[in-house]
Amino acid sequence: GAGVSQSPRYKVAKRGQDVALRCDPISGHVSLFWYQQALGQGPEFLTYFQNEAQLDKSGLPSDRFFAERPEGSVSTLKIQRTQQEDSAVYLCASSLGTDSSYNEQFFGPGTRLTVL
Amino acid sequence: AQSVTQLGSHVSVSEGALVLLRCNYSSSVPPYLFWYVQYPNQGLQLLLKYTSAATLVKGINGFEAEFKKSETSFHLTKPSAHMSDAAEYFCAVTRWGGSQGNLIFGKGTKLSVKP
Repeated sequence: GAGVSQSPRYKVAKRGQDVALRCDPISGHVSLFWYQQALGQGPEFLTYFQNEAQLDKSGLPSDRFFAERPEGSVSTLKIQRTQQEDSAVYLCASSLGTDSSYNEQFFGPGTRLTVL
Repeated sequence: AQSVTQLGSHVSVSEGALVLLRCNYSSSVPPYLFWYVQYPNQGLQLLLKYTSAATLVKGINGFEAEFKKSETSFHLTKPSAHMSDAAEYFCAVTRWGGSQGNLIFGKGTKLSVKP
């Protein structure tokens, strides 16, 4: 497909389990963003990649959150020792250029994580 | 620091009526502003964006928004609501500094359209 895809779409984890969320951006898109959207809230920035370089991880809520994009395309967001407060929809977005300040970000459908 | 405030978490209009969704921003630098729409179980889709060109911005599906610097507002309007407009709408501003362009979103406004 031509859009951003994410997998799995739904994930249920027991508290303390590790999870890995995958994002396939639009082919050729340099910039990749991860956002967290809690129930009833707007998305909040987690981290940003330009190609394989993670240039900003200021939004990651704790050191249990880790993201990578080793070959500059697919990205994985990993959450270790999940907690109930991690329950949210995790959105991935990609953008064509290196300056996304005015360029459109294309969003995937998100992964809904529920931690029991 | 930039921020966005959306007034009204829920707005209900009748089909054919005017849609007005309010957004006010706070920014110490000229902002880039966006409106996104989110349908159930789907990702966010860009409706329109303001990037310091024309203050009246036209987007998809008949929506438009006007940038008013004096009021620090970027309200979204549509003259005549359609049932298919029922969705959640997010206003966002680009965060300056740090990464190039991550977005700061409002809390969203859920639009209901009554037949």
